[in-house]
Amino acid sequence: EDKVVQSPLSLVVHEGDTVTLNCSYEVTNFRSLLWYKQEKKAPTFLFMLTSSGIEKKSGRLSSILDKKELFSILNITATQTGDSAIYLCAVYNAGNMLTFGGGTRLMVKP
Amino acid sequence: EPEVTQTPSHQVTQMGQEVILRCVPISNHLYFYWYRQILGQKVEFLVSFYNNEISEKSEIFDDQFSVERPDGSNFTLKIRSTKLEDSAMYFCASTSRFYNEQFFGPGTRLTVL
Repeated sequence: EDKVVQSPLSLVVHEGDTVTLNCSYEVTNFRSLLWYKQEKKAPTFLFMLTSSGIEKKSGRLSSILDKKELFSILNITATQTGDSAIYLCAVYNAGNMLTFGGGTRLMVKP
Repeated sequence: EPEVTQTPSHQVTQMGQEVILRCVPISNHLYFYWYRQILGQKVEFLVSFYNNEISEKSEIFDDQFSVERPDGSNFTLKIRSTKLEDSAMYFCASTSRFYNEQFFGPGTRLTVL
């Protein structure tokens, strides 16, 4: 059975801190890994990673995939209160469906 | 910017009743999905749909569930006889290509009493 595990479960930081969120996976026929941000309702897409070692970056957010060790990290630098959300990691297997992790709840305090 | 829309935002129903949840995917997308998220739990895949037929379904998607694309824009999820454990947020998603980023709608919160 495909499995995606995220850590930590939750995190409280202060504005300006840097955070690293982790996602490990065990998936048959891995295709790609995606990161989403879930604030109130719908997950919104952040990154899709397919190749090992290539960093994807968008503003203060960046992510990288290690296909040998089967994990990915999501970094957020200079955090702001608007970064408070649940961050979801999801993986595509051969079946074109996403398997989600349980998420990391990030709270950024002013 | 195009987006996935869902109606209603909240549906309350009695156990045993049928419900239909509606979604309008992004117009040029070809692959459609339903996921659900029970409160406090993971987002779980239910079903994927392509070329007017189901391409994948999970163990959750039993005979009580069905999906349909009745016209060129709507994509529906029907639950024939709702159970208390069907209470969850149901998300519709769509994508333009295989293994591409999926865009999620705002969800329908289903409450079964």
